[in-house]
Amino acid sequence: LAKTTQPISMDSYEGQEVNITCSHNNIATNDYITWYQQFPSQGPRFIIQGYKTKVTNEVASLFIPADRKSSTLSLPRVSLSDTAVYYCLVGLYSSASKIIFGSGTRLSIRP
Amino acid sequence: GAGVSQTPSNKVTEKGKYVELRCDPISGHTALYWYRQSLGQGPEFLIYFQGTGAADDSGLPNDRFFAVRPEGSVSTLKIQRTERGDSAVYLCASSGTSGRLDTQYFGPGTRLTVL
Repeated sequence: LAKTTQPISMDSYEGQEVNITCSHNNIATNDYITWYQQFPSQGPRFIIQGYKTKVTNEVASLFIPADRKSSTLSLPRVSLSDTAVYYCLVGLYSSASKIIFGSGTRLSIRP
Repeated sequence: GAGVSQTPSNKVTEKGKYVELRCDPISGHTALYWYRQSLGQGPEFLIYFQGTGAADDSGLPNDRFFAVRPEGSVSTLKIQRTERGDSAVYLCASSGTSGRLDTQYFGPGTRLTVL
């Protein structure tokens, strides 16, 4: 599974757009990029997944450049409730795959 | 619908004791996973079940750890002769068989404290 590198922590303010970038230089052709979110005292929660270009859902957008060696999770107009740890994962995930988590990015949103 | 549930939510035990942690997956999910999470770290894979059988137990740290899923639904993680280093949050996740991009749904975890 490809190794990922993401910032340890980030701070922002309510109403701002937050972009968290993840590097994955050794991504394989068949790998997908997946982001999970974890609030304190809860299990991780899937938020978005993509293969190339751009994916958007009700929670976030995921931007993937053509070389796929990095990806950016974009959270529009964050609120205090977006304070969480965000994990970037790369692999061919399916119902038969364990997830290898890194340490994630600890995002703190201030009023 | 109901999500993944785990019991107990908290467990305090003494060094050397035996503990059992229970996971109830989402109904109909055939895959079930156990992870362990230490403070400030991401979850660490322990074991994965497909149906009743353990398809991958490569993450179990040693033979004190064992997990079962006898009927392909509820799973129990068993830890013998607990050590202080076993203190962590134990997370369970389940997923269906909808295909390659199936995501895992996590429970809230059981916080185990070994004194």
